[in-house]
Amino acid sequence: EDQVTQSPEALRLQEGESSSLNCSYTVSGLRGLFWYRQDPGKGPEFLFTLYSAGEEKEKERLKATLTKKESFLHITAPKPEDSATYHCAVPNSGGSNYKLTFGKGTLLTVNP
Amino acid sequence: DAGVTQSPTHLIKTRGQHVTLRCSPISGHKSVSWYQQVLGQGPQFIFQYYEKEERGRGNFPDRFSARQFPNYSSELNVNALLLGDSALYLCASSVGQGETQYFGPGTRLLVL
Repeated sequence: EDQVTQSPEALRLQEGESSSLNCSYTVSGLRGLFWYRQDPGKGPEFLFTLYSAGEEKEKERLKATLTKKESFLHITAPKPEDSATYHCAVPNSGGSNYKLTFGKGTLLTVNP
Repeated sequence: DAGVTQSPTHLIKTRGQHVTLRCSPISGHKSVSWYQQVLGQGPQFIFQYYEKEERGRGNFPDRFSARQFPNYSSELNVNALLLGDSALYLCASSVGQGETQYFGPGTRLLVL
């Protein structure tokens, strides 16, 4: 069964204090790894898709990287508006559908 | 461009009642997926529809059903509501079955 584990569950940073979020996955035949940002009471907002080990993608203060077993979301000099829950998700490894299996997410709080 | 829209935004029902949630995908998207998100967890896959056909079903009881209409909008129906059905119900659309999924704002369902 496909599994996604995120750590830490919660992370509190000071504004400008860089850090990384971890997503480890167990899936045979990775068909992509997705990162989403979710604000309280809202739907997840798409950030990145990574397809192969070694791939990196950047957007503003965020950079996502992928290895064969895990992905990292690096946050450089975060601002309070970066506070949100960050989810990673992988599509199922088989079958005709394309369901996403999500981790529980990392709740990021950036204090001014 | 309009994103995924869902209605209603909030809903309060009592145990045993029935509920219908609605979703309009991004224009040009032909696939719709439904997810349930309980507090503190990541979204959990319920259904995927593509070209008006069910392409996948998650581990949910038969009380949950869905359909997709010719205009690619979708409905999620839940019968005989239980307290445990209280959650944020998310709809996601994608261009095709295996493409990036974009989420709507969700419908918050409370069952009393």
